Amino acid sequence: GNSVTQMEGPVTLSEEAFLTINCTYTATGYPSLFWYVQYPGEGLQLLLKATKADDKGSNKGFEATYRKETTSFHLEKGSVQVSDSAVYFCALSDRLGGGNKLTFGTGTQLKVEL
Amino acid sequence: EAEVAQSPRYKITEKSQAVAFWCDPISGHATLYWYRQILGQGPELLVQFQDESVVDDSQLPKDRFSAERLKGVDSTLKIQPAELGDSAMYLCASSLGGGQVFEQYFGPGTRLTVT
Repeated sequence: GNSVTQMEGPVTLSEEAFLTINCTYTATGYPSLFWYVQYPGEGLQLLLKATKADDKGSNKGFEATYRKETTSFHLEKGSVQVSDSAVYFCALSDRLGGGNKLTFGTGTQLKVEL
Repeated sequence: EAEVAQSPRYKITEKSQAVAFWCDPISGHATLYWYRQILGQGPELLVQFQDESVVDDSQLPKDRFSAERLKGVDSTLKIQPAELGDSAMYLCASSLGGGQVFEQYFGPGTRLTVT
């Protein structure tokens, strides 16, 4: 079955530091890949997505590239801000069976300090 | 901007009681999902609807959980009887649906505490 593995948190960084959150996946088909962000007490918000190999998703300074050869979709940002503190979830969706359900990783908490 | 609405936001109930959650998806979204998120974990799909039909309920504990989307718009998730292990965040999401992979938009969730 499908699965997503994320690096464990919490990740604590100083403001303006470089961020990498690792994500690898296992899937039987050709999945689409997503990063969602969850701020305290809120639901999940889509941060970025990539639908095929070598696609790069980007939004709000965050980027991730769909690497089929390494089955990875690592999230990066060049300079984090305190407002980026949240939990980040990597997820995949495939169209096998027409379900399109999302399979999530366990989440990585990011704390950014001044 | 259109949003997925959920109510209540918080619910505290005693073990063995019945509890219900409501979700109103973004207008025009044919696909509706209910996820359960246990603290410290990622969400897991409970049930998926395409219009009023269930597409996937393989992870729904059917002995105590039920879900319906009678007119293909809003949806209700019910637990009866609630157990201590049901304490979690229940998230509703919606998407345009169809054969393509569309983004899922999530509501704010209902945090359930079973005492």
